[in-house]
Amino acid sequence: DIQMTQSPSSLSASVGDRVTITCRASQSISSYLNWFQQKSGKAPKLLIYAASSLQSGVPSRFSGSGFGTDFTLTISSLQPEDFATYYCQQSYYIPLTFGQGTRLEIK
Amino acid sequence: QVQLVESGGGVVQPGRSLRLSCAASVFTFSNFALHWVRQAPGKGLEWVAVISYDGSYTYYADSVKGRFTISRDNSKNTLDLQMNSLRPEDTALYYCARDTGDNGAILDYWGQGTLVTVSS
Repeated sequence: DIQMTQSPSSLSASVGDRVTITCRASQSISSYLNWFQQKSGKAPKLLIYAASSLQSGVPSRFSGSGFGTDFTLTISSLQPEDFATYYCQQSYYIPLTFGQGTRLEIK
Repeated sequence: QVQLVESGGGVVQPGRSLRLSCAASVFTFSNFALHWVRQAPGKGLEWVAVISYDGSYTYYADSVKGRFTISRDNSKNTLDLQMNSLRPEDTALYYCARDTGDNGAILDYWGQGTLVTVSS
């Protein structure tokens, strides 16, 4: 199975900050990498697919990059509604695997 | 708006069975593969199973292989997960999710989840 490792596991930041979350795959997954946002008590929401494509309806302050084994999710200017847990997920092989999550908290 | 609504969760004893369902609406159900993904309380996301758009192929996580069966009825727009020989570690919120079919597996819409608790 492909292991996905996110860093950091948790992060404190302020409204207006630029935030970057990284995700590393245990082997190359080309651009088969997706990012999700999950708020407490809610289902995950797709933010970014294919490493860098913005899902319809997602604000442009979210962006993704990377290829192969190393990927990043960047939020250019944090808004109050962005405080949540973020997961990366590889879609290169079955079984699909997720990172352990990054909890983004208000500083 | 695409809707996926899970049902069938509950409290069940170890070793018993439970059947989850996911009812879909507002999209052409038979065009999309579907997945089950679960989340244990306070934990991360774990993929469980996938079924192709026509039901011709299925894949499972090793943790549920041989115990869980995913199926679909395209005439009724429903997805099911039959869970047998349940274990305490199967306790989780179970989500169904639609797969766009692009770039491997992009899960673009999720239901709200149904909670399964395995406990004596």
